[in-house]
Amino acid sequence: KQEVTQIPAALSVPEGENLVLNCSFTDSAIYNLQWFRQDPGKGLTSLLLIQSSQREQTSGRLNASLDKSSGRSTLYIAASQPGDSATYLCAVLRDNYGQNFVFGPGTRLSVLP
Amino acid sequence: EPEVTQTPSHQVTQMGQEVILRCVPISNHLYFYWYRQILGQKVEFLVSFYNNEISEKSEIFDDQFSVERPDGSNFTLKIRSTKLEDSAMYFCASSFFYEQYFGPGTRLTVT
Repeated sequence: KQEVTQIPAALSVPEGENLVLNCSFTDSAIYNLQWFRQDPGKGLTSLLLIQSSQREQTSGRLNASLDKSSGRSTLYIAASQPGDSATYLCAVLRDNYGQNFVFGPGTRLSVLP
Repeated sequence: EPEVTQTPSHQVTQMGQEVILRCVPISNHLYFYWYRQILGQKVEFLVSFYNNEISEKSEIFDDQFSVERPDGSNFTLKIRSTKLEDSAMYFCASSFFYEQYFGPGTRLTVT
């Protein structure tokens, strides 16, 4: 059974810092991995999708990497801003037999002005 | 930009009542999903729907739950005889292929 964990559970940084969020999954037979942002009491906003054949994806200040063989992904946020404060979730889609995501518990990020 | 919408944003119901949560997926998407998130816990998969039938469901999705696509735009989740433990945020999602787009959620409170 696929298990997804995220470290750290919470992170507080001053504005302008670069930071890394970690995601680990137990079963490397994944089809893709998606990073989401969730603001308190709100829905999930898709940030980046990495296919299993890819090693990284970039969007603006965000860069996500995937090491499928070791069961790890990282989300790098450059030059953090207070508006980046949210919970960041990673979710893995198992191989293309199934369609459902398995989510991690999230990392709660606070960027202090 | 197209988005997934959900109504209502908040639903309060009494234990034992039936509720219907509604979703309008992105118009050209083919796959539809329901997830839930109990307060303070992980987002959990409930069910996926494709070609007018359930393609996959989790062990959470028992006989208490049903889904329907009554017309070309809506996708509904019905919960019969609600229980206190059904209180959660329910998210609808849709995808054309694998990248899923989530709605803002419906907060269900069962009293």
